[in-house]
Amino acid sequence: KAGVTQTPRYLIKTRGQQVTLSCSPISGHRSVSWYQQTPGQGLQFLFEYFSETQRNKGNFPGRFSGRQFSNSRSEMNVSTLELGDSALYLCASSAGWATNEKLFFGSGTQLSVL
Amino acid sequence: SQQGEEDPQALSIQEGENATMNCSYKTSINNLQWYRQNSGRGLVHLILIRSNEREKHSGRLRVTLDTSKKSSSLLITASRAADTASYFCATEKNSGGSNYKLTFGKGTLLTVNP
Repeated sequence: KAGVTQTPRYLIKTRGQQVTLSCSPISGHRSVSWYQQTPGQGLQFLFEYFSETQRNKGNFPGRFSGRQFSNSRSEMNVSTLELGDSALYLCASSAGWATNEKLFFGSGTQLSVL
Repeated sequence: SQQGEEDPQALSIQEGENATMNCSYKTSINNLQWYRQNSGRGLVHLILIRSNEREKHSGRLRVTLDTSKKSSSLLITASRAADTASYFCATEKNSGGSNYKLTFGKGTLLTVNP
């Protein structure tokens, strides 16, 4: 099976712009989660989607949004970018049916905001 | 705030030695998981231990869980240079089911010197 695919791998934007990141989960997985990783804050949970529904959301401002499509692919969008949004954005997938599931991570999108 | 906190923050050992990393958490959990990350890439799942389990093994990995102390340890035996990576513990909080979210610690950077 192909793994979790994230595109693009690297992205450079300037303050005030917006960005869309894409994630394709492992085939058959219906849950997609997004995490932000920075040296200072570590890995922070953004949101989780299952069958196009957001089931949980982290403590991020409304500039961070996401969605999931009927084929389980997911996108996250960050509007009005700030310097502090520079981070590695990681997507993870799982079957999503129950607790005690492990996550399969993509390689991430490294976002730099100048 | 971080649910899991790893200790130590950094660990440097020689090939062939054992490496032990510890994780403490704050609330009741469904499970605790350990992940590995190589220099800014995606995380790879290592092992999941459920709240009613005390010890699990996987190859050279041994994980223990003490729910009374809210702590876990990861032991890597006979370490290799290829084990050099950051190791994270992550907890799934017990909220009467799954809340579809893992809370990660800030990680232990393990360096194995040849």
